[in-house]
Amino acid sequence: GAVVSQHPSWVICKSGTSVKIECRSLDFQATTMFWYRQFPKQSLMLMATSNEGSKATYEQGVEKDKFLINHASLTLSTLTVTSAHPEDSSFYICSARGGTGAGIQYFGAGTRLSVL
Amino acid sequence: GENVEQHPSTLSVQEGDSAVIKCTYSDSASNYFPWYKQELGKRPQLIIDIRSNVGEKKDQRIAVTLNKTAKHFSLHITETQPEDSAVYFCAASASGNTPLVFGKGTRLSVIA
Repeated sequence: GAVVSQHPSWVICKSGTSVKIECRSLDFQATTMFWYRQFPKQSLMLMATSNEGSKATYEQGVEKDKFLINHASLTLSTLTVTSAHPEDSSFYICSARGGTGAGIQYFGAGTRLSVL
Repeated sequence: GENVEQHPSTLSVQEGDSAVIKCTYSDSASNYFPWYKQELGKRPQLIIDIRSNVGEKKDQRIAVTLNKTAKHFSLHITETQPEDSAVYFCAASASGNTPLVFGKGTRLSVIA
């Protein structure tokens, strides 16, 4: 199956700093990437949909100025958590749509963010 | 928008027994229904999916059924093994670039 790489896998930062997470489709072109957030023992909550070359579409309640998404190429999308606070601590997972199956989303390994 | 309900939230079965997880969806435009397995701290892995033009799909011990009229679909795991223990998520989406909407998940425990 298609491979999606996500980095870093774990990050610890101080409150007020910004953190960038990268999501790459390694063997296919992903015109659309998605960013999810997952709290412990909960489901994946969609944060935003990212289309290459255009502005991301954010879900209701997600602050676009806090969670900056860039999708500059068909294989790379980035999520920057700006001025992170402890309540932003969570598991962030990206996914990419493309490859051989229309509709199929392949997930990155996730990034565990801990804000002190 | 789409809303996906998933039941049960937890499920314990004896090794060798079958497990069934059920989901309902609200958007009649949805036509793609995948199931993901997620182990603790890891990425969701696609285990099986079904599209609205079929009613059932099977892959070894795993099967999925879809009833478009009733807007529900189910995951069936037969001859369960301890390594099947994980959280399972159902999801639904319409065609195009619409994202998957996930159910809340089912924590399956297979007891040896």
